[in-house]
Amino acid sequence: AQSVTQLGSHVSVSEGALVLLRCNYSSSVPPYLFWYVQYPNQGLQLLLKYTSAATLVKGINGFEAEFKKSETSFHLTKPSAHMSDAAEYFCAVSDFSGKLIFGQGTELSVKP
Amino acid sequence: DADVTQTPRNRITKTGKRIMLECSQTKGHDRMYWYRQDPGLGLRLIYYSFDVKDINKGEISDGYSVSRQAQAKFSLSLESAIPNQTALYFCATSEIGVNQPQHFGDGTRLSIL
Repeated sequence: AQSVTQLGSHVSVSEGALVLLRCNYSSSVPPYLFWYVQYPNQGLQLLLKYTSAATLVKGINGFEAEFKKSETSFHLTKPSAHMSDAAEYFCAVSDFSGKLIFGQGTELSVKP
Repeated sequence: DADVTQTPRNRITKTGKRIMLECSQTKGHDRMYWYRQDPGLGLRLIYYSFDVKDINKGEISDGYSVSRQAQAKFSLSLESAIPNQTALYFCATSEIGVNQPQHFGDGTRLSIL
């Protein structure tokens, strides 16, 4: 069965610093992986998705994620954090039917 | 207008009451989902529907029921609400396929006293 683990429920960075949010997955089949962002009082928005075309996936707002099969990881990064990046981030993996299994979420705080 | 609309956005009610949360979409997607979000637990799937005649239980369906009235409408009911159903509820839609992202509404914040 597919599963996702996000390491760290809270991450705090300074404005301008590197953002690294960790996601490890478990899947018995080649995975389809997603990162979503949730701003306060809003629903989830798709940041990016991995569908095996390329291991480095670029998303919106300057985020990108790298698929590493050997490490079963799909970590999300951004070179320079902005205050507006403060939000909760969710990693998800698709099961065989297309349903998504979500990680527990990581709350990102950005300090001025 | 939002592609996935949830009503109401906020609701406070009492234990034992029947509650219905509604979701409508203009994206033309066949698949619709209901999730609840609790702090530290991420999103958990309550029910999902892959087309109008298809309804499936998710991970945490006990205490909930759903109705798919049309391709565009999917409602979630709590027949007799209890305090531990206090949560943020999301509706989502997707196209058919294992690599299709889901599109979310803005959520309904439900408090049961």
